[in-house]
Amino acid sequence: GAVVSQHPSRVICKSGTSVKIECRSLDFQATTMFWYRQFPKQSLMLMATSNEGSKATYEQGVEKDKFLINHASLTLSTLTVTSAHPEDSSFYICSANGMWEYTEAFFGQGTRLTVV
Amino acid sequence: AQSVTQLDSHVSVSEGTPVLLRCNYSSSYSPSLFWYVQHPNKGLQLLLKYTSAATLVKGINGFEAEFKKSETSFHLTKPSAHMSDAAEYFCVVSDQSTGGFKTIFGAGTRLFVKA
Repeated sequence: GAVVSQHPSRVICKSGTSVKIECRSLDFQATTMFWYRQFPKQSLMLMATSNEGSKATYEQGVEKDKFLINHASLTLSTLTVTSAHPEDSSFYICSANGMWEYTEAFFGQGTRLTVV
Repeated sequence: AQSVTQLDSHVSVSEGTPVLLRCNYSSSYSPSLFWYVQHPNKGLQLLLKYTSAATLVKGINGFEAEFKKSETSFHLTKPSAHMSDAAEYFCVVSDQSTGGFKTIFGAGTRLFVKA
């Protein structure tokens, strides 16, 4: 199946700094990518839909100025957590859908963000 | 709009007994349905998927699921549980929505397997 690579897998940063997480589709072009957040022992919550060449669509309650999403090419979407705080510590996962109909989502390995 | 309901937050079985994890969905179109497993501190692993072909879908590790459109269900089963099956399981629907495809996760079911 298709491969989605997410990097880094783990990151620790200081409060107030920004962290960028990359999501790449390695062997297919992804017109749409999704970013999820998972709190401990909870399900994945969709944060935003990233569309190549246009602005991301954010779910209700997600701060677009804090979670900046850029989808500049058909194989790369980035999520930047700006001015990170300890409450932003979480597991972030991206997924990518291909360009064909009735497609499954392919998931990255996830990024464990810890803000200290 | 899509939604996914996993009917049990926790399921506990004894090793060697059958497993049933229940999932109901709603969708405006013909959805694709998936089951993923997540072991502690790990990423997601696809168990199986339904994409409008055979309604009984066989996946990895002995798991299977049956798509029942009339009941809007996609329950996950396994004839005999193994200790290594203990994990979190997510039922997922992927469907067309405004602006393209959207993938929605159920709340998850934690499977406990007793020796």
